[in-house]
Amino acid sequence: DAGVIQSPRHEVTEMGQEVTLRCKPISGHNSLFWYRQTMMRGLELLIYFNNNVPIDDSGMPEDRFSAKMPNASFSTLKIQPSEPRDSAVYFCASRDQGASHEQYFGPGTRLTVT
Amino acid sequence: RKEVEQDPGPFNVPEGATVAFNCTYSNSASQSFFWYRQDCRKEPKLLMSVYSSGNEDGRFTAQLNRASQYISLLIRDSKLSDSATYLCVVTPPGTYKYIFGTGTRLKVLA
Repeated sequence: DAGVIQSPRHEVTEMGQEVTLRCKPISGHNSLFWYRQTMMRGLELLIYFNNNVPIDDSGMPEDRFSAKMPNASFSTLKIQPSEPRDSAVYFCASRDQGASHEQYFGPGTRLTVT
Repeated sequence: RKEVEQDPGPFNVPEGATVAFNCTYSNSASQSFFWYRQDCRKEPKLLMSVYSSGNEDGRFTAQLNRASQYISLLIRDSKLSDSATYLCVVTPPGTYKYIFGTGTRLKVLA
């Protein structure tokens, strides 16, 4: 099994540019989570989806952030416009709601905004 | 007060030592508890779930104290390969959300 796939693995962009992060969850998993990790704040949940529907987006920092899940095998997290304080590692995780509580994390996207 | 708090460490211990980490949580109705391990520049991975009765997996023992609202992780006979950051995870009632602690960094020294 391939595990959670994220792309790109690294992204360097200039302030003001649009950034799109992509995630493919494990096949058959019906919950998907987007997290952000920084040294200062640790791992923070941004948004999560159940069966492609956003359930809780209270962690999304501001309107510059948006997330979509058009189908069960793909999700995007978009930042527009990006700012230097958005620099972080962004993780996607998925879970089989009917199986267990365990969340399986992707390798992350390391974003640097200059 | 943060929802989940951990001592950031680092804990530097010699090989073979026993080390314990605690994690406190603020919501008394929290329903599920986990320890995740994160290696440097890698993703978090589940180490073990924490059950009310306590549970053991080889050299690792996890315990939950609901009255005092903390969970603990004990590592016996520590190995160099145990060096990592250990993240405490709590799920609020009625949700599938994970609330992570900021992690405790462990370094096992030869």
